[in-house]
Amino acid sequence: DTAVSQTPKYLVTQMGNDKSIKCEQNLGHDTMYWYKQDSKKFLKIMFSYNNKELIINETVPNRFSPKSPDKAHLNLHINSLELGDSAVYFCASSQVGWTSGGQSSYNEQFFGPGTRLTVL
Amino acid sequence: SQQGEEDPQALSIQEGENATMNCSYKTSINNLQWYRQNSGRGLVHLILIRSNEREKHSGRLRVTLDTSKKSSSLLITASRAADTASYFCATEAGGSYIPTFGRGTSLIVHP
Repeated sequence: DTAVSQTPKYLVTQMGNDKSIKCEQNLGHDTMYWYKQDSKKFLKIMFSYNNKELIINETVPNRFSPKSPDKAHLNLHINSLELGDSAVYFCASSQVGWTSGGQSSYNEQFFGPGTRLTVL
Repeated sequence: SQQGEEDPQALSIQEGENATMNCSYKTSINNLQWYRQNSGRGLVHLILIRSNEREKHSGRLRVTLDTSKKSSSLLITASRAADTASYFCATEAGGSYIPTFGRGTSLIVHP
């Protein structure tokens, strides 16, 4: 049983197209994320959802729109794809633990296998 | 922004040798995590060390944290070819629960 799954694994498309990547986790986690990893392996957070609510939205173009139909799913829709969108996109989930002082005590991330997006 | 930077960027060793990777960061943290990424795969959590801890062990892994120097190290002892992967540190700071990843160290272990 795959804990965090993504589809598709590879996505090759033309500039200007609209595409979606799906993510599902069966770990019962409350929080899900989308990360983008560029060609230099730099991993950057894009979005974070907690119980279907958007919590974090980093400086990502509004062509990227996440959708969370339920807390086990977080899909990523990308409009008007550009060459610079080519990267590997990772979905992740976690169950954030908090200290009594309100600080994050642990946030182990469980990653999906990634979707390699190539925009031609 | 709070971001771990791994050093070296690349490391090539022979099987059986020890591998040491370092991570430096800029501001105070709540905890620091190390992850491994095999080629073409997602990241896998290895170990978490809290800001009030100095050292943790897990199997052949040893992680140290020096908050005065704002640095951490990951030591893999008796390396194996299967340890070939990229290793990332991720820091959590302040009130944010989102870990910030560095660019990783690419480790190659030659059989």
